[in-house]
Amino acid sequence: KNEVEQSPQNLTAQEGEFITINCSYSVGISALHWLQQHPGGGIVSLFMLSSGKKKHGRLIATINIQEKHSSLHITASHPRDSAVYICAVLSNTGNQFYFGTGTSLTVIP
Amino acid sequence: KAGVTQTPRYLIKTRGQQVTLSCSPISGHRSVSWYQQTPGQGLQFLFEYFSETQRNKGNFPGRFSGRQFSNSRSEMNVSTLELGDSALYLCASSLDSGSVTDTQYFGPGTRLTVL
Repeated sequence: KNEVEQSPQNLTAQEGEFITINCSYSVGISALHWLQQHPGGGIVSLFMLSSGKKKHGRLIATINIQEKHSSLHITASHPRDSAVYICAVLSNTGNQFYFGTGTSLTVIP
Repeated sequence: KAGVTQTPRYLIKTRGQQVTLSCSPISGHRSVSWYQQTPGQGLQFLFEYFSETQRNKGNFPGRFSGRQFSNSRSEMNVSTLELGDSALYLCASSLDSGSVTDTQYFGPGTRLTVL
């Protein structure tokens, strides 16, 4: 069983749609990261969360520590948002990083 | 500030050889982490270095090793390469202000192909 599960695995949306990507984890964590990876491999860290909610532009990330669940929302999606979004958690025992398998998002103009 | 740089960007080796990859963190960053990304396993944590010491380690065999120099630059070494070691190797640096939740900044990666 994976320590981090993401859904959906693949997502296609029309430009302008509201998008939600979910992440559930089974270990105790110190923090949760949302990462964005564009074709070619470059990874950008979007958010680091340990509680509550964070917003950056059209991106919103929330975390519910009790339910061990986080969501990444994209409002008014745009084709340049097309990428793989990866959820990663830092366990609070052993400081080990665990990664989800990623959600491949395609936004169609 | 310059971002995280990794060299080389692409590398082709044969089974049984060894390889050394290099990572230069953002100036002032003291923590460097290494990750392996493959289509089958996704991203996996290799190890993290801070102040020239390995602070955390993932579940990889001893063929994978690393080190960090006094200027925070880091190298990782893979000995006795296997076909399954073909992957994108990413390093990331963080300021490490004392919080485990510092933002990580990723390099472009080194794509290793083992033939």
